[in-house]
Amino acid sequence: KNEVEQSPQNLTAQEGEFITINCSYSVGISALHWLQQHPGGGIVSLFMLSSGKKKHGRLIATINIQEKHSSLHITASHPRDSAVYICAVPPHNAGNMLTFGGGTRLMVKP
Amino acid sequence: ETGVTQSPTHLIKTRGQQVTLRCSSQSGHNTVSWYQQALGQGPQFIFQYYREEENGRGNFPPRFSGLQFPNYSSELNVNALELDDSALYLCASSRVGAGELFFGEGSRLTVL
Repeated sequence: KNEVEQSPQNLTAQEGEFITINCSYSVGISALHWLQQHPGGGIVSLFMLSSGKKKHGRLIATINIQEKHSSLHITASHPRDSAVYICAVPPHNAGNMLTFGGGTRLMVKP
Repeated sequence: ETGVTQSPTHLIKTRGQQVTLRCSSQSGHNTVSWYQQALGQGPQFIFQYYREEENGRGNFPPRFSGLQFPNYSSELNVNALELDDSALYLCASSRVGAGELFFGEGSRLTVL
């Protein structure tokens, strides 16, 4: 069993739809990262959170440490949001020794 | 623009050869980590350097080695290349304790 599970693996949405991507993990962590990877390969850090909720523009990330679950929401989705979204966790005191989920491939159609 | 640059962006090697990949960290970042991402897979942690010392390693054999320099730039060296080493290699830098990671665009290695 993977330590970090994401769902769904693939997601197709129409422009404007509200999108939710889920991440569950089995290890104790101090924080969780949400990352975005475009087809060219580069990865952008979207959020690092250890509790509650963070918002940046149309993106919202939530985490429930007790339930070991995090969600990434995209409001008013746009074709430029098409990318792979990855959650990653460092076990306690493990620095950047991240364990990555398998990613969610999102395509937003105009 | 993250300020983390990697070189080369693409390269092709043959089995048995050695390769060196380079990463220039964002200014002020003293921690660098390296990841391997095979096609269609999520990244896998290779190792992390802090103040020029390796301080964390994933499940990779010793032929994967690294260096971090006083200016916080870093190298990943892979000896005796195997076909399965074909992947995108990503480095990420951060300030210790700050947590947020800044990734480079990656070096795509093809081993023939």
